[in-house]
Amino acid sequence: QQPVQSPQAVILREGEDAVINCSSSKALYSVHWYRQKHGEAPVFLMILLKGGEQKGHDKISASFNEKKQQSSLYLTASQLSYSGTYFCGTEDDYKLSFGAGTTVTVRA
Amino acid sequence: DAGITQSPRHKVTETGTPVTLRCHQTENHRYMYWYRQDPGHGLRLIHYSYGVKDTDKGEVSDGYSVSRSKTEDFLLTLESATSSQTSVYFCAISARTSGGPSTDTQYFGPGTRLTVL
Repeated sequence: QQPVQSPQAVILREGEDAVINCSSSKALYSVHWYRQKHGEAPVFLMILLKGGEQKGHDKISASFNEKKQQSSLYLTASQLSYSGTYFCGTEDDYKLSFGAGTTVTVRA
Repeated sequence: DAGITQSPRHKVTETGTPVTLRCHQTENHRYMYWYRQDPGHGLRLIHYSYGVKDTDKGEVSDGYSVSRSKTEDFLLTLESATSSQTSVYFCAISARTSGGPSTDTQYFGPGTRLTVL
């Protein structure tokens, strides 16, 4: 079953912060985060493997709450390069189910 | 770069014609996947393969078939294309994450934009 992402879209000014949430109705063992620029392929950002663990990619970090079946992606001090659509993927036996995506627009 | 190429990159075809998309990888990965991407739906799995001649259906497999006769090639065929199959198609492979925990994730090819008129 597809995970649910929120919000659908967010607009930021450079330097502002944002949080993207990903929740599932099924038990989660890992959450994979990707970013996709317009007209390009999704690019892997990070994977969260166990509850409460935080990972980082530049000033982008994430947390994973196994109990709540949720993961959150944190965009800190956003840069223009952070613009794109962010997807979470939840794993089930070598397959990933992706959320519908969150479009992030960072303006100067 | 996970060494994945897709061909063609763009294709326009007419309703009712057969279409085959090719995914080629150079690094001997076992798992390969075909997704379609449509606005508002994210990425949806069509079919996947876990070895030569070993394939299985994903969530949106109706109207599509796949074949994998060699490790490096995974073909997606639309037997009789319909306008609802207009989409961007991505191939992916499963591989070890680089610089992170010792586990696998998926890496995507550049995509094929298919338009069915």
